[in-house]
Amino acid sequence: GAVVSQHPSRVICKSGTSVKIECRSLDFQATTMFWYRQFPKQSLMLMATSNEGSKATYEQGVEKDKFLINHASLTLSTLTVTSAHPEDSSFYICSAGGAGSYNEQFFGPGTRLTVL
Amino acid sequence: AQKITQTQPGMFVQEKEAVTLDCTYDTSDPSYGLFWYKQPSSGEMIFLIYQGSYDQQNATEGRYSLNFQKARKSANLVISASQLGDSAMYFCAMREGLRNTGNQFYFGTGTSLTVIP
Repeated sequence: GAVVSQHPSRVICKSGTSVKIECRSLDFQATTMFWYRQFPKQSLMLMATSNEGSKATYEQGVEKDKFLINHASLTLSTLTVTSAHPEDSSFYICSAGGAGSYNEQFFGPGTRLTVL
Repeated sequence: AQKITQTQPGMFVQEKEAVTLDCTYDTSDPSYGLFWYKQPSSGEMIFLIYQGSYDQQNATEGRYSLNFQKARKSANLVISASQLGDSAMYFCAMREGLRNTGNQFYFGTGTSLTVIP
């Protein structure tokens, strides 16, 4: 299947700092990418839909000024957690679709963010 | 209303036995796709199987099959001949619209499967 990479895989930062997470589609172009947040033993919660060349669409309750999403090219979307706090600690996963037989979403390996 | 419902938080199965993971869905869109993903402890989401709303036959992929009952709006995953490596979280998901990659996926709450040696 198609490959989506995510970097970094793990990050620990101090409260108040900003963290950028990159999501890349390695072998296909993705006009749309999705960003999810997952708490332990829970389902994926869609945070926002990222469209290349336009503003992201955020889900209700997700602060767009705190979670900045940029989709500058057909292969790269970034999520920046600004002024991170301990409650932002979570597992963040991106996905992209359009490359598979069923237009299934291909997921990145995830980024575990820990804010001290 | 929940778009995807998975009522089994945890399931156990003996190695080499078959197991069924339940999934029901809710949509008024006649065109939709149903997906199952596996999430091992490493966290990666692995696509397993797909069923389109107009597909006449149940989907199969190796040891995975999807028991699609459209009238009951259920899309249960059947894993045959369970292996220890099948121990993971399993998520059922739906996308409304068959080919639109811009449409979001709705995920269920997941079922944790443990395969017992």
